[in-house]
Amino acid sequence: NAGVTQTPKFQVLKTGQSMTLQCAQDMNHEYMSWYRQDPGMGLRLIHYSVGAGITDQGEVPNGYNVSRSTTEDFPLRLLSAAPSQTSVYFCASRIAGGANTGELFFGEGSRLTVL
Amino acid sequence: GENVEQHPSTLSVQEGDSAVIKCTYSDSASNYFPWYKQELGKRPQLIIDIRSNVGEKKDQRIAVTLNKTAKHFSLHITETQPEDSAVYFCAASPLNNDMRFGAGTRLTVKP
Repeated sequence: NAGVTQTPKFQVLKTGQSMTLQCAQDMNHEYMSWYRQDPGMGLRLIHYSVGAGITDQGEVPNGYNVSRSTTEDFPLRLLSAAPSQTSVYFCASRIAGGANTGELFFGEGSRLTVL
Repeated sequence: GENVEQHPSTLSVQEGDSAVIKCTYSDSASNYFPWYKQELGKRPQLIIDIRSNVGEKKDQRIAVTLNKTAKHFSLHITETQPEDSAVYFCAASPLNNDMRFGAGTRLTVKP
């Protein structure tokens, strides 16, 4: 049971390049989400999904796209990277609905630098 | 959407003292309030959580209190130890919806 797996762990991009951060979970969680973490600003929600085929925007969605074709995978796409997207990105998942809904499980994080 | 505010942003205590971190939230629909601890370079990990039908919950040296009327909740750590040094985040969410986090508190426990 690997939990939440993110790749890559580190990435350097040039302004204008595109890339995809991969996220996979093996806990059969319906809910998956992406956060970015910047110094002094906590964890800010980018996009989230409550099930395959369903996605929604969080606090800071601009410049990012997501899709959810399977329960297991929730990739985050940067369409045209900007220096302001330099951050640490965390994917997280949890059970959606019911009495056991609660804990959000995080991946190890992906550190992205945009030059 | 939900807005969570967290205070203080930094907290320094002597080993053995207590530490208290406070959070407020805006959305009355929120009914799940977790606290996460994040060590340097690591992922956030849940240390304790509370649901809206409970006013207080304890787990050894850690306790959380919730005041739904005032929309605030607090983390209490007693008998602090150097290994408690980390960044702590509060969060709030409706059980079936997205989770919003506070900006974090950097706790330093001095030996």
